[in-house]
Amino acid sequence: DVKVTQSSRYLVKRTGEKVFLECVQDMDHENMFWYRQDPGLGLRLIYFSYDVKMKEKGDIPEGYSVSREKKERFSLILESASTNQTSMYLCASSPSVEFTEAFFGQGTRLTVV
Amino acid sequence: QKEVEQNSGPLSVPEGAIASLNCTYSDRGSQSFFWYRQYSGKSPELIMFIYSNGDKEDGRFTAQLNKASQYVSLLIRDSQPSDSATYLCAVMRDTGRRALTFGSGTRLQVQP
Repeated sequence: DVKVTQSSRYLVKRTGEKVFLECVQDMDHENMFWYRQDPGLGLRLIYFSYDVKMKEKGDIPEGYSVSREKKERFSLILESASTNQTSMYLCASSPSVEFTEAFFGQGTRLTVV
Repeated sequence: QKEVEQNSGPLSVPEGAIASLNCTYSDRGSQSFFWYRQYSGKSPELIMFIYSNGDKEDGRFTAQLNKASQYVSLLIRDSQPSDSATYLCAVMRDTGRRALTFGSGTRLQVQP
């Protein structure tokens, strides 16, 4: 079974803090993604990566950055957390050759106070 | 206009009925279409994907694609209370960006 593991299920941070959300996948997938999910807005793509050291902006990258130093690990960084970044964050991975499915982690519920 | 549009619902159907979930998309070049199911508090999980015009069946689920109308649907036959969830439509554009764009989802309630 593909496993995508996010480091925290719930996280509470203060405004202005630098926040790291970690994601690890064990299936040697090339592609990894970060989405946020908000009521009524669905999943919105923040950043994604096709390979190590590569990153691409998604639809809502403002206020976020990412790091992919190893193939299995993709980190989302909130440089200075703000209350409007309170959300559910979902990491996903997929194989590159034939994109038939994106596998999701369990999600991190981030609250910024 | 949103790239992927879904009626938020809730769509309520009685147990045993056919549930019909609909999705429209704006990018005419989109090539691949996915249906995910998400239970409350859980992560999305893939139900099925479809690339070609027409119908694709998998058990109780049938995906239908009409690229000319930019329309994709999911039919669930013999709906069960365990099918109650939010159904997310996702699209992959044909612009070299190998990432999914999701609709906001339709909540389905199957009444026993």
